[in-house]
Amino acid sequence: AQSVAQPEDQVNVAEGNPLTVKCTYSVSGNPYLFWYVQYPNRGLQFLLKYITGDNLVKGSYGFEAEFNKSQTSFHLKKPSALVSDSALYFCAVRAMDTGRRALTFGSGTRLQVQP
Amino acid sequence: AAGVIQSPRHLIKEKRETATLKCYPIPRHDTVYWYQQGPGQDPQFLISFYEKMQSDKGSIPDRFSAQQFSDYHSELNMSSLELGDSALYFCASTHRRADTEAFFGQGTRLTVV
Repeated sequence: AQSVAQPEDQVNVAEGNPLTVKCTYSVSGNPYLFWYVQYPNRGLQFLLKYITGDNLVKGSYGFEAEFNKSQTSFHLKKPSALVSDSALYFCAVRAMDTGRRALTFGSGTRLQVQP
Repeated sequence: AAGVIQSPRHLIKEKRETATLKCYPIPRHDTVYWYQQGPGQDPQFLISFYEKMQSDKGSIPDRFSAQQFSDYHSELNMSSLELGDSALYFCASTHRRADTEAFFGQGTRLTVV
């Protein structure tokens, strides 16, 4: 079985400050890891993914994430937050080596960036 | 670029009625996934199709069924609707061989009254 934990329901940060949204995962074998963002009443937009290679992955809108195998974490980061980054962020995982290709999502973290 | 198209965007049904949700994947994508997102919840995997065959099954109720057609579009059929079926239903598509990330549609908001 695979699972994702996002320990923070909400993260508040001031505009211009760095942000981190935490994610840890559990999966059999090697993971594929993803971050998606959801705006109100909208679909899930892909931000970035880790498949293999460099542990630091760069994605859309200035976001990046660091894969840490020993800590089974994939935290989302951005050096300087924008008010427009305020949204719901989901971390997701699927196993690289098993048959199930559907994503398992975390419970989501609401990011609030204050002006 | 073409995205995943879902229809309708909104649907209101009464209890015990049926509903059909449609999903049109990105061109040349061969795999479709259906997810259900309840209010304040994370998306839960329901079912997936690859090359018109069911490839995996998640927490899809027996009252629901789905299929993928020859043009790769998919339909989720929901019968004997219950209040608890009210949710946002997402379709996502990928290309299996390219092993791309999943691209999601805007979703269908189903309200059962």
